[in-house]
Amino acid sequence: DAKTTQPPSMDCAEGRAANLPCNHSTISGNEYVYWYRQIHSQGPQYIIHGLKNNETNEMASLIITEDRKSSTLILPHATLRDTAVYYCIVITGGYQKVTFGTGTKLQVIP
Amino acid sequence: DTEVTQTPKHLVMGMTNKKSLKCEQHMGHRAMYWYKQKAKKPPELMFVYSYEKLSINESVPSRFSPECPNSSLLNLHLHALQPEDSALYLCASSQEDRGFGLNTEAFFGQGTRLTVV
Repeated sequence: DAKTTQPPSMDCAEGRAANLPCNHSTISGNEYVYWYRQIHSQGPQYIIHGLKNNETNEMASLIITEDRKSSTLILPHATLRDTAVYYCIVITGGYQKVTFGTGTKLQVIP
Repeated sequence: DTEVTQTPKHLVMGMTNKKSLKCEQHMGHRAMYWYKQKAKKPPELMFVYSYEKLSINESVPSRFSPECPNSSLLNLHLHALQPEDSALYLCASSQEDRGFGLNTEAFFGQGTRLTVV
């Protein structure tokens, strides 16, 4: 799997958009970008994933650059409950050995 | 039902004890995973079962023994653990028997907080 780089921590004001970047410059053509988050002491929770197109669901939007070397997870209106560690993971389709990086700790501030 | 249920939620065991962690899912998923997570660190993969057969063992010490008795259940048997094995143990499952990818996602349980004394 391609390695990912994320900032260790970020703050975001409640109600504002949280933009979490992820660098995956060694990504290959068949690798997906996945985002998970882990709220304190809970299991990781799936957020969104994409291959090359931008994606949106009820939780977030995923913007992948045209060269696919980086992506941004957008939480449009952050709430205090969005405080968590966010993991960007690059996964080859059908690959079982999934490795979590160190993630970004997002603190949403009232 | 999109839940992965892990029991117990908390476990304290002595170094000479034998205990088991249990994980259950009823989503028809054919891949199940055990992860270990130390405080302030990301989850680390331990084992993967695919169609009830062990497909990946990440060089985990033999004091951890996984078992998949059927497609819905995954156990982790613990014996002669050390205090440094204290951690959050997470179970996950995914639909695709070959892993997270191919347009599918993994579901995680809430974990078992294990303390070895």
